[in-house]
Amino acid sequence: GNSVTQMEGPVTLSEEAFLTINCTYTATGYPSLFWYVQYPGEGLQLLLKATKADDKGSNKGFEATYRKETTSFHLEKGSVQVSDSAVYFCAALNTGFQKLVFGTGTRLLVSP
Amino acid sequence: DAMVIQNPRYQVTQFGKPVTLSCSQTLNHNVMYWYQQKSSQAPKLLFHYYDKDFNNEADTPDNFQSRRPNTSFCFLDIRSPGLGDAAMYLCATSPDRVREETQYFGPGTRLLVL
Repeated sequence: GNSVTQMEGPVTLSEEAFLTINCTYTATGYPSLFWYVQYPGEGLQLLLKATKADDKGSNKGFEATYRKETTSFHLEKGSVQVSDSAVYFCAALNTGFQKLVFGTGTRLLVSP
Repeated sequence: DAMVIQNPRYQVTQFGKPVTLSCSQTLNHNVMYWYQQKSSQAPKLLFHYYDKDFNNEADTPDNFQSRRPNTSFCFLDIRSPGLGDAAMYLCATSPDRVREETQYFGPGTRLLVL
């Protein structure tokens, strides 16, 4: 079945620093890939997605590119803010309805 | 705004006392999902409804049941909660089950078992 691997957290950054959170996947076929964000005590919010190779998802300054050759979907942001502090989940969804498979989540802490 | 609503946000129950969590949606989506998320872990799918068709995950305990009386509402019933069932329960919806579709999550219900 599918699996998603994320870098361990927490990731601790100062405001305006560059962010990268690594995500790689294993899947049969070509899954759609998602980044979800979870703020403390809240549900998951879709941050961005990409449905085919070389697609770039972007939202609120965050970007991730679907790299088939490296089976990766790394999340990046050029300048993080304190309000970006949250847990970020990478997820994959394959054809024929296999369930949305999540990585273990990466906690981001941004200090002023 | 169209959305996924979960009530209550916090639920306290006693060990062994049945509890029901509710989810409603104004998105008119065909598919509704229930996930369990324990502290510092990824969400784990319990089951989903594709319209009225119920789909259980193989490792979902029998203690967990679900009902979907209409398109808008879905309920999670825990027949005899144990301490290990304390978690955040997330409801999600999607228009269909194809790979391109986004799942939209509600805010979650945090269940505490005493």
